[in-house]
Amino acid sequence: DAGITQSPRHKVTETGTPVTLRCHQTENHRYMYWYRQDPGHGLRLIHYSYGVKDTDKGEVSDGYSVSRSKTEDFLLTLESATSSQTSVYFCAISEFPSGSYEQYFGPGTRLTVT
Amino acid sequence: AQRVTQPEKLLSVFKGAPVELKCNYSYSGSPELFWYVQYSRQRLQLLLRHISRESIKGFTADLNKGETSFHLKKPFAQEEDSAMYYCAGQGNAGGTSYGKLTFGQGTILTVHP
Repeated sequence: DAGITQSPRHKVTETGTPVTLRCHQTENHRYMYWYRQDPGHGLRLIHYSYGVKDTDKGEVSDGYSVSRSKTEDFLLTLESATSSQTSVYFCAISEFPSGSYEQYFGPGTRLTVT
Repeated sequence: AQRVTQPEKLLSVFKGAPVELKCNYSYSGSPELFWYVQYSRQRLQLLLRHISRESIKGFTADLNKGETSFHLKKPFAQEEDSAMYYCAGQGNAGGTSYGKLTFGQGTILTVHP
């Protein structure tokens, strides 16, 4: 597995609380991504980063924010968690543009919002 | 927008039977396409990429530009092939794509003994 870790791996939180998920890589790749995985929807891109402090929105960014203060860490924050944000969250990295479009995934974080 | 479509949410076959997971795309030009596999509660991992034209775990996938398809095939399914399979393609046809991938909805393959 590529050197990608996510923390926490599991979290249960209450509606209205802020939550931060962390993605850490040891590959020194420039591009990083956050996805959510839901039945019937596949993987949907939330936010992505193309460098330190360079981030942009994906297709389902409402209610989420991200930060990248150093190459190895990409943080996803749910500003005020809602039940609709119960999901499995995956982080991914890519060698793009120096490599192909192939992405390498972290182990995922299972988030439950009650 | 570029789209990747997997028409089957569920696919069941018996061990030893051939299996084909369908994927259609709507890219122009020469897209980069991938198949990812996710075994139960594990991370996604790359199974195949069309540019390498290789066979992994007995699976092959051929890019058919005329039909805009990239179906995944295996002649004899095994129980350990049971998993979620995602087809994915580059997110933009050109310009600044930031390496984004567009994923299909996924197909859950179950191989019965």
